[in-house]
Amino acid sequence: GQQVMQIPQYQHVQEGEDFTTYCNSSTTLSNIQWYKQRPGGHPVFLIQLVKSGEVKKQKRLTFQFGEAKKNSSLHITATQTTDVGTYFCAAARVNFGNEKLTFGTGTRLTIIP
Amino acid sequence: KAGVTQTPRYLIKTRGQQVTLSCSPISGHRSVSWYQQTPGQGLQFLFEYFSETQRNKGNFPGRFSGRQFSNSRSEMNVSTLELGDSALYLCASSLVPLTSGGSYEQYFGPGTRLTVT
Repeated sequence: GQQVMQIPQYQHVQEGEDFTTYCNSSTTLSNIQWYKQRPGGHPVFLIQLVKSGEVKKQKRLTFQFGEAKKNSSLHITATQTTDVGTYFCAAARVNFGNEKLTFGTGTRLTIIP
Repeated sequence: KAGVTQTPRYLIKTRGQQVTLSCSPISGHRSVSWYQQTPGQGLQFLFEYFSETQRNKGNFPGRFSGRQFSNSRSEMNVSTLELGDSALYLCASSLVPLTSGGSYEQYFGPGTRLTVT
């Protein structure tokens, strides 16, 4: 079945440092989505990437989709305490007309003030 | 406008019983997806409904089923509960279905925490 590896599993950074999480798939994807989940909360949709090599920015967040549509990354510049949470990628792949979403294991980000 | 609502928020059931969870999407949203979240397996996609039809399905046994009504509200049913079904069940709604490409954006509800004893 489809494997989605997300690294690192945990990341502790000083406030103001940058943070990056990576998502890798064993198969070509139709699109990839990114979510943030705060402790005790529910996932919040951040963005969807569809095109090969696509780069999208949301303020301090930069999202990239690889040229081969098998990997993606989320980069946060100058982290703030409000960035705390777990970041998930969700890979979508169409298989015989059935589009499945496979979530990565998530990267838990903690900020040291 | 109101967000996605799920009822009940908490539920305790016994092995072998069945359970029905309910999800009301954001007004105007026609797609509802269901997910299971556990510490061990993470977030897993169960299925998606759009306009009362199941569009996409994850890798869960037939004990997990769902339906969507004409007002887009959705229910998920789990029959013959097992201990391993204890999880947070999340539903999410979106304006368009998962296969819509770049315009897709989904909003999650607070979830129903199911405990099976």
